Amino acid sequence: KNQVEQSPQSLIILEGKNCTLQCNYTVSPFSNLRWYKQDTGRGPVSLTIMTFSENTKSNGRYTATLDADTKQSSLHITASQLSDSASYICVVSAEAGANNLFFGTGTRLTVIP
Amino acid sequence: DVKVTQSSRYLVKRTGEKVFLECVQDMDHENMFWYRQDPGLGLRLIYFSYDVKMKEKGDIPEGYSVSREKKERFSLILESASTNQTSMYLCASSFDQTAGNTIYFGEGSWLTVV
Repeated sequence: KNQVEQSPQSLIILEGKNCTLQCNYTVSPFSNLRWYKQDTGRGPVSLTIMTFSENTKSNGRYTATLDADTKQSSLHITASQLSDSASYICVVSAEAGANNLFFGTGTRLTVIP
Repeated sequence: DVKVTQSSRYLVKRTGEKVFLECVQDMDHENMFWYRQDPGLGLRLIYFSYDVKMKEKGDIPEGYSVSREKKERFSLILESASTNQTSMYLCASSFDQTAGNTIYFGEGSWLTVV
C-alpha cells in the first residue's frame, strides 16, 4: 500500500535552533518527493521537489535530503525563525503524472521566542 | 507568480443546500485539482481535471461533482451539503502531467455545514 508517514507529529523549538523533520514512504514506483509549508489557515506552498537522482536540495534555510534506497526524506531547518511556525507536508508522487500524489499528514512546528 | 484563487474563504451552509466552490488559476495550467483537508487525515483528492470538460474521480468523490467549462476555472459542487462535508477545501493546479511540475495551491475554503 502506498503510504507516507511523517514524524514527529508536532515539534516545539526555540527561535534560532535547528530542527529536522522526517518523512518515510512506501510509494512505488517512485517519481519525486516534495516538501510543502502550510501556514495556519492558508494553502500549502512548495519548498522543494526532488527526483530519484537528487539526494539534497536547499531553499534558503530549508534543506531537504532524499535516500531513495531506504525511502526516507528529511527536511532540515537552520536557525529557525518565528515565521517558520507552520505545518510541513511531505508529498510523494508515484509516477509521472501530477494526480498520483500521496500526502503525509504533516508535522506541526512551533517556534517560540 | 502563479496565482490560484478560491473565491470564498469562509462559508456556512445548511444541510441539504447546494454549494459551489470556485477556483481560478492564471497561468494556463492544464491540470486542476480539488482536495479536502481534515485534521489527522492529510489532503485527500476529490476530483481532478487535465483538460477543459474532462474530469476524473479522486479518492473521495462521493457527494461531490465538478465542472470545468473553461481552462482557468474549476468548480466543486456539493449537490446536497451534509455535516460530514464540513472541512477545508483546497484547489490546486499544475502545468501538465510531467513529473516534477510544481503544484500550486489556493488559500483554501473553509466550509461549515450546520
